Amino acid sequence: QKEVEQNSGPLSVPEGAIASLNCTYSDRGSQSFFWYRQYSGKSPELIMSIYSNGDKEDGRFTAQLNKASQYVSLLIRDSQPSDSATYLCAVYGNNRLAFGKGNQVVVIP
Amino acid sequence: NAGVTQTPKFQVLKTGQSMTLQCAQDMNHNSMYWYRQDPGMGLRLIYYSASEGTTDKGEVPNGYNVSRLNKREFSLRLESAAPSQTSVYFCASSEAGTGYKPQHFGDGTRLSIL
Repeated sequence: QKEVEQNSGPLSVPEGAIASLNCTYSDRGSQSFFWYRQYSGKSPELIMSIYSNGDKEDGRFTAQLNKASQYVSLLIRDSQPSDSATYLCAVYGNNRLAFGKGNQVVVIP
Repeated sequence: NAGVTQTPKFQVLKTGQSMTLQCAQDMNHNSMYWYRQDPGMGLRLIYYSASEGTTDKGEVPNGYNVSRLNKREFSLRLESAAPSQTSVYFCASSEAGTGYKPQHFGDGTRLSIL
């Protein structure tokens, strides 16, 4: 089982809709969870971090963490064309940060 | 505020050549990291430095060496480049307490080895 798994993509959503991204992880001892956004040809940019179970909201982004089920999700509300990017889930455990392969999101105007 | 600066941005090498990728951060972070990103493979950790004076291997260290020159600078060296090392290389840094603190990335070095 891979350490961090993300749904296969790409995910196409109409402008103004909600984009939902999921990530599962294998290490039950994982402690910190991050979502990065990466535009094509650019570097990853941190958009959310979450450390405890529940929801964390920041603007149009909501991160959800469920340690019992070992998943973390990202919701993007009111999706905009500028949200079109690859979203990377990252999980810290065993003294290292492991990244998923990413989910491409395409927002259709 | 520059954040994490990587040089060069692009480089083409021939098989067997050597080169050093440079990384510097101005955020007073203790921890620094080198990743490579390949299509379909995600980001993979090559080496990291939890603090000045220490370095440790990551997931894919073979063929690479690193130097933590001081708190600001962390370099990655390819001694004898191979086509399999064609990739995009990212340097990142974070505050002390590796893992608990998010990592901030440089713009990357796009390296092609012929």
